[in-house]
Amino acid sequence: EIVLTQSPGTLSLSPGERATLSCRASQSVTSNYLGWYQQKPGQAPRLLISGTSKRATGIPDRFSGSGSGTDFTLTISRLDPEDFAVYYCQQYGTSPYTFGQGTKLEIK
Amino acid sequence: EVQLVQSEAEVKKPGESLKIACKASGYSFTSYWIGWVRQTPGKGLEWMGMIYPGDSDIRDSPSFQGQVTLSVDKANNTAYVQWSSLKASDSGIYYCARRAYGSGPMDVWGTGSRVTVSS
Repeated sequence: EIVLTQSPGTLSLSPGERATLSCRASQSVTSNYLGWYQQKPGQAPRLLISGTSKRATGIPDRFSGSGSGTDFTLTISRLDPEDFAVYYCQQYGTSPYTFGQGTKLEIK
Repeated sequence: EVQLVQSEAEVKKPGESLKIACKASGYSFTSYWIGWVRQTPGKGLEWMGMIYPGDSDIRDSPSFQGQVTLSVDKANNTAYVQWSSLKASDSGIYYCARRAYGSGPMDVWGTGSRVTVSS
């Protein structure tokens, strides 16, 4: 199965700063089928990005995704207080559709 | 509004059986895959498998193969995951989620069902 490794494990930033989250795959992700999710405490994950770079419905344009092959990035251009949460990447090109272990974005 | 509403929390003993439900509304249930994801503090999010309600085709994860059974009730727009004999390691929060049309990611998530297995 494809193993996804996210870094850093925790990212401490202030509102207004730029966040860069990484997701590295153990082998190439088929068709760049890589998604990003946000999860807040007590809530289900929420889809942010599909197909590496396509924002899901209603997701602000401060969220952007990029990458290809084995290296992918989620960028949040200017952090809003509501953005502090845990972020997961998932590859859905090769079954089983594995998740990364998550990056916790916390307020500095 | 597209919604997936899941069963409430369950507390069970090892060896007991369990079936949890995921009721869909607001879209054509038989046209989208439904996946199941387990979340635990130790292993994070784990993709268990998915089922296509239209014909009950199943794609499952080797890690969960033989451990759980996925099924659907088309008449009631409900998907299920069930265990015949629970273990403590089955404890966690279980989410159902709809797979976006056209080989997409999980675009709509259920409310989650917490399962606690303890003697």
